[in-house]
Amino acid sequence: QKEVEQNSGPLSVPEGAIASLNCTYSDRVSQSFFWYRQYSGKSPELIMSIYSNGDKEDGRFTAQLNKASQYVSLLIRDSQPSDSATYLCAVRQLAGDMRFGAGTRLTVKP
Amino acid sequence: DAGVIQSPRHEVTEMGQEVTLRCKPISGHNSLFWYRQTMMRGLELLIYFNNNVPIDDSGMPEDRFSAKMPNASFSTLKIQPSEPRDSAVYFCASSRTGHNSPLHFGNGTRLTVT
Repeated sequence: QKEVEQNSGPLSVPEGAIASLNCTYSDRVSQSFFWYRQYSGKSPELIMSIYSNGDKEDGRFTAQLNKASQYVSLLIRDSQPSDSATYLCAVRQLAGDMRFGAGTRLTVKP
Repeated sequence: DAGVIQSPRHEVTEMGQEVTLRCKPISGHNSLFWYRQTMMRGLELLIYFNNNVPIDDSGMPEDRFSAKMPNASFSTLKIQPSEPRDSAVYFCASSRTGHNSPLHFGNGTRLTVT
């Protein structure tokens, strides 16, 4: 079983819609959770971090964490074509290592 | 903030040759990570350092791979001898100490072994 699992997609949504990206992790002692965005040919860039159960909002982005279900999600409201990218879920352990999911490719159609 | 600096950006080499990838972390960051990214396997953690000390190298695929961090501002990842299956994008990332700290990535080195 992979440590961090994501639906690889591709996920396609129309412009203005809500995109929902999901991630599960296997290690119950995982401490910190991050979402990265990666455009084709570029390096991953941080979108959001979340450390405790519940929702965290930043502009059009909302991260949700449920440690009991070992589940993290990212919602993108009012999706724009510029949001088209691969979204990587990352889990950082207490020991310091960070593991990534395979990524979900999102396409926002104008 | 200059960001994480990697060199070279692209490397093309022949099978059997030695390859050295270089990384300069963000000043003040105590943790440094090397990742490899391929379409098939995604972003794989190879090794990471805390305060210049290797903490976990279980992701290093074979003895052909080695990494060093001689000081807080420089790290190398060496492949000797290189093989075609090593072709990938290699990313270096750094962070402040602490599991709540995010990683900041360099631009990566695209390695092609022919």
